[in-house]
This record gives sequence, structure tokens and C-alpha cells, in this order.
Amino acid sequence: EAGVAQSPRYKIIEKRQSVAFWCNPISGHATLYWYQQILGQGPKLLIQFQNNGVVDDSQLPKDRFSAERLKGVDSTLKIQPAKLEDSAVYLCATTSTPQAFFGQGTRLTVV
Amino acid sequence: QQPVQSPQAVILREGEDAVINCSSSKALYSVHWYRQKHGEAPVFLMILLKGGEQKGHEKISASFNEKKQQSSLYLTASQLSYSGTYFCGTEAEYPGNTPLVFGKGTRLSVIA
Repeated sequence: EAGVAQSPRYKIIEKRQSVAFWCNPISGHATLYWYQQILGQGPKLLIQFQNNGVVDDSQLPKDRFSAERLKGVDSTLKIQPAKLEDSAVYLCATTSTPQAFFGQGTRLTVV
Repeated sequence: QQPVQSPQAVILREGEDAVINCSSSKALYSVHWYRQKHGEAPVFLMILLKGGEQKGHEKISASFNEKKQQSSLYLTASQLSYSGTYFCGTEAEYPGNTPLVFGKGTRLSVIA
């Protein structure tokens, strides 16, 4: 089966600019996650969707981060404005119980 | 709460064995193990459900001690391809359908 697709793979922006990441999950996978992985650390959950509804966004910095999942399929994660500490890899994952499938991620560098 | 992994890093020669531990202070429903190579996405290795069942994947196996809320990943006769960072992801028993919380990872380097 096709994997989780993410784009872009890499992005370099200046602080205070905005950026958006896109995720196309595996067909039929209802649960979708966005994780932030800072260099040398494990993935940290930002938001969980079940179909197009938000299940858990308690760790999403809502003053600058937003996410949506259109029609329960594709998802976008946006940061506006970006800060230096947002530099990380942003991973999208979907689940087919019990396994989570990760995309290759978007590596964001904020300068 | 984030599970605690140990050791943080380990270097092995080909053919040697290693154990990676993952501990949680919360009651767990499951423990997932992933391996991530540099610049790549984490790849699922195995899941252990509450019940202490031991699983195996090639020469990699794992156990889950639900009394201690601890899981261990065993790598035997390590190969160069085992190099990478190993993460445990834990799923809390309550309230259910909770997302995985990952540890900080254990960096494994296998050398010839």
C-alpha cells in the first residue's frame, strides 16, 4: 500500500514568516497525527485527528500553530509566525490499529 | 507523561547483544517500538499489549512487564543494519484511544 506522503521535504524560512506543511495519509486511515521532532529527541504530539475532527490538541501552541484536516483525508499544519525554536522535523502519522505509519517528514529550519 | 528510555546511546560490534529499556510512571495499555535511521521516518518494529507477552521480529524481541510498567527491547547478534535510534511509544490505559507518547530514544551504533 502507498505510504504517508508529506511535502515539502525541506523548508528554510526566516523568523516571523509563515509556513505550511501538507500530509496525505494512507487511504482509509481515520486517525491522523502531527508530531514535532526536535533534533536528538523523540516525536512530540502536536495534534490528533479522528476523521476530520480534532481529538487532542492540548500540546499545540495555538497562538502560532493551526491544523486542519479536509474531508477527513489530507491535512495541513501551519505556523504563523515562526520562531527559531520551531526548527524541527514535522512528522505526519496515520494508524491502522495497532501500527502507526509515519511520513518522511518536513525538516523546517527557521533562521 | 514521557516514558524514560535507557541507555541513551550504545555502541556494539557486529554479533553482540543489547537491551534497551523503556519505563513509564503511568499504567500502560501498550508499548510500541520503532527504529529511525538518520533522515528517515520511524519504522514500526512491534507492539506489546498489556499481558506481558513477548514478541519477536527477526533477531529483535521485546517484553512488557505490566507490574513495573516497563518494556525491554532485546537485540541479539546485532547486524550493521540495526544501527539507528530506537524509540518506545507508550499508550496509556486510561482513558483509551490516546496517542502514543514517545521516549527520547536510544541511539544504537553497530560497528564492524
